[in-house]
Amino acid sequence: DAKTTQPTSMDCAEGRAANLPCNHSTISGNEYVYWYRQIHSQGPQYIIHGLKNNETNEMASLIITEDRKSSTLILPHATLRDTAVYYCIFYLYNQGGKLIFGQGTELSVKP
Amino acid sequence: GAVVSQHPSWVICKSGTSVKIECRSLDFQATTMFWYRQFPKQSLMLMATSNEGSKATYEQGVEKDKFLINHASLTLSTLTVTSAHPEDSSFYICSARDTRLHQETQYFGPGTRLLVL
Repeated sequence: DAKTTQPTSMDCAEGRAANLPCNHSTISGNEYVYWYRQIHSQGPQYIIHGLKNNETNEMASLIITEDRKSSTLILPHATLRDTAVYYCIFYLYNQGGKLIFGQGTELSVKP
Repeated sequence: GAVVSQHPSWVICKSGTSVKIECRSLDFQATTMFWYRQFPKQSLMLMATSNEGSKATYEQGVEKDKFLINHASLTLSTLTVTSAHPEDSSFYICSARDTRLHQETQYFGPGTRLLVL
């Protein structure tokens, strides 16, 4: 299965930028990287996705390295409500759109 | 983003009974939905892919006769846990595949917490 590697946990001060790294050295040329987050006891929430160009939306920015082997999700001004588990995932289009979740990064935003 | 609902949000049942969980895409049609299970302090585990008008595809190790999936319309998929036992207690989450835009995305429901006594 396509595999991503993320740190188990990270802390961030409220109001500062949270930078969440993800390694995906086995990614193939047409696989997109998707980011979701899961706040405790809720369903995952879509954040952003990208192929090779950097992307930005109202929630976050996604920086993908030129070789596409890693990416970083940036929450520009973290708030306490951003405390969640963040998942970096390959979107498996050739398997009907499956998402295979790894363990993710538990981000704690502290006052 | 698109909205996906689940019903019920939580359910408690006796061992041996069956429980049905509904997953609905509220503002888009979804030919494909997915069912996941999540145990405490663990990640989501994909159980099966639900395709409208055809049989579901189950992941390895998931018993298709125990977890019955029906995707009868473009906005509704149901998961029935048959003859539930305490070890089936878990957080069940569905997602729906939104293909309206050039780049498709999956949106998740809020989850259903099942407790089997």
